[in-house]
Amino acid sequence: QQQVKQSPQSLIVQKGGISIINCAYENTAFDYFPWYQQFPGKGPALLIAIRPDVSEKKEGRFTISFNKSAKQFSLHIMDSQPGDSATYFCAASEGGGYQKVTFGTGTKLQVIP
Amino acid sequence: GAGVSQTPSNKVTEKGKYVELRCDPISGHTALYWYRQSLGQGPEFLIYFQGTGAADDSGLPNDRFFAVRPEGSVSTLKIQRTERGDSAVYLCASSLPGRDEQFFGPGTRLTVL
Repeated sequence: QQQVKQSPQSLIVQKGGISIINCAYENTAFDYFPWYQQFPGKGPALLIAIRPDVSEKKEGRFTISFNKSAKQFSLHIMDSQPGDSATYFCAASEGGGYQKVTFGTGTKLQVIP
Repeated sequence: GAGVSQTPSNKVTEKGKYVELRCDPISGHTALYWYRQSLGQGPEFLIYFQGTGAADDSGLPNDRFFAVRPEGSVSTLKIQRTERGDSAVYLCASSLPGRDEQFFGPGTRLTVL
């Protein structure tokens, strides 16, 4: 049972464009929604995270939009750069520390010059 | 400071053999997690430790998989009678007490021939 659904599977964006990745979840007990960035041969690294008490969080060029009623959240990468080319995973957990994280299936982003 | 380290980085074994994968968490991180990442997929939770005890081992696929953390720091994931389907990248993550952010190591790529 896939509790976090992610789309698209792959994405090609021109340099300077906006990259948008969408996720939907089922478990209403989820309370923490991180996004991870993974480069080939490396472990995932936390990019940005949000809790359901806010609808948007922005850090630099990265923004999470969160819709609690729809159980959906998305990552927007503004002014996408070739260095952003990586695989992005949305994820969710029940928060409160010491909680397993459920990951989406990943989006492979390629930013072309 | 040093991040999460995992050894070996690559492990090739034959079907039926026993393997041990090691994880060194960030100093002071009492929570430790193991995940498995198959090709083209997101990481899947296996087990997590609070200190020395396994607080949640619900993700272990069967009794061939076992993990220990005897002194509350280094952890070893043990796989008996390996099968070709066990081939994946095994990721370790750690976190501070009560904190949601998990820091991942680079993973061990296990190949079962």
